[in-house]
Amino acid sequence: EAGVVQSPRYKIIEKKQPVAFWCNPISGHNTLYWYLQNLGQGPELLIRYENEEAVDDSQLPKDRFSAERLKGVDSTLKIQPAELGDSAVYLCASSASGTSLSFGPGTRLTVL
Amino acid sequence: GENVEQHPSTLSVQEGDSAVIKCTYSDSASNYFPWYKQELGKRPQLIIDIRSNVGEKKDQRIAVTLNKTAKHFSLHITETQPEDSAVYFCAAGSGGGADGLTFGKGTHLIIQP
Repeated sequence: EAGVVQSPRYKIIEKKQPVAFWCNPISGHNTLYWYLQNLGQGPELLIRYENEEAVDDSQLPKDRFSAERLKGVDSTLKIQPAELGDSAVYLCASSASGTSLSFGPGTRLTVL
Repeated sequence: GENVEQHPSTLSVQEGDSAVIKCTYSDSASNYFPWYKQELGKRPQLIIDIRSNVGEKKDQRIAVTLNKTAKHFSLHITETQPEDSAVYFCAAGSGGGADGLTFGKGTHLIIQP
């Protein structure tokens, strides 16, 4: 089966600019996650979707971050405006009921 | 919430020797403990997992042990090979699967030839 797909793989922007990341989960996986991975750290959950509903967004900085999963399949994560501290790898993952996470390759964001 | 501590942060072993990575967790409700391997610049990939109704699980050269009383679990890799070099992450969660996982900070395993 095809894995989780993310784009772009790399993004370099200047601070205060907006940026968006896209994720396509594994077919049939109803649950989609966005994780943040800082250098030398483990992934940290930003938001979890069950189909099109955000069921856990407690760790999402809502003043600048937003996400959507309109048709319960693809998802977009947006940052506006980006800050220097947002430089990190943004990982998308998906799962089916009772299974563990399948991660995408990530988007490496550099904010200058 | 859950807190997962992982040790050591870096582990260097000779090729052919065994490697052990240890994690502790704080939430007694946690019932699912996966381990992920992340090679440089690549995605984390599940290598083995264990649920709280089992004390040990083995898959070829990899094994995981769980001590629910002490709230710790360990990854054991035997007969290490150069391709085992990577960062390994443990995680713990109470959802029985992928939901609500808290990850450790990772262990950089270096296999010396």
